[in-house]
Amino acid sequence: EVQLVESGGGLVQPGRSLRLSCTASGFIFDDFAMHWVRQGPGKGLEWVSGLSWNSVNIGHADSVRGRFTISRDNAKNSLYLQMNSLRPDDTALYFCAKDSGDHSTGAFDLWGRGTLVTV
Amino acid sequence: QSALTQPRSVSGSPGQSVTISCTGTSSAVGGYNYVSWYQQHPGKAPKLMIYEVTKRPSGVPDRFSGSKSGNTASLTVSGLLPDDEADYYCISFVPINNLVFGGGTKLTVL
Repeated sequence: EVQLVESGGGLVQPGRSLRLSCTASGFIFDDFAMHWVRQGPGKGLEWVSGLSWNSVNIGHADSVRGRFTISRDNAKNSLYLQMNSLRPDDTALYFCAKDSGDHSTGAFDLWGRGTLVTV
Repeated sequence: QSALTQPRSVSGSPGQSVTISCTGTSSAVGGYNYVSWYQQHPGKAPKLMIYEVTKRPSGVPDRFSGSKSGNTASLTVSGLLPDDEADYYCISFVPINNLVFGGGTKLTVL
């Protein structure tokens, strides 16, 4: 089955760290760029971070740059988000999303169900 | 990275057409043809409706169409159906290696 499954969310105190994981199945993971997108309670979508198939091209939103780090392990079909110095406004449902291209295009054709982070 | 500008809400009656705008800058929206649109129903993950300004993924009805003029992209929904009522978001590539969403538009089918 083609799917993305996020894990690692939870309740954390301000200033602490959390690591999110996303496990992919049903497609060739290392052919595509991958992203994290979040949605705060009652708010809109916010792109957080993304990286190309080979991790060469990496981008972060201004709101998380210097605090969050995105990475991937193609051998494990997994995407990660290391979140440090967490703040209350980082509280959101965090989605893992697959890009349709091997670099960032913004065309996310597969989404996970999300993992909730509460700071 | 300023969010792209979308109207907060639009509405239309069944069978009518509505257009949602997404305004950026010469860097975001205007500079690249990497603009996509998403539909999100409450409690659900977003669904890709349009990518690369005008392209429709397999399975998306041709009632949904995209266009761009200058720094503004648009999503048009024709022949409105009750199930089209949802939130809609645009997203654009922004150099270098970044992306930015619009603030979202609530489409109400009257």
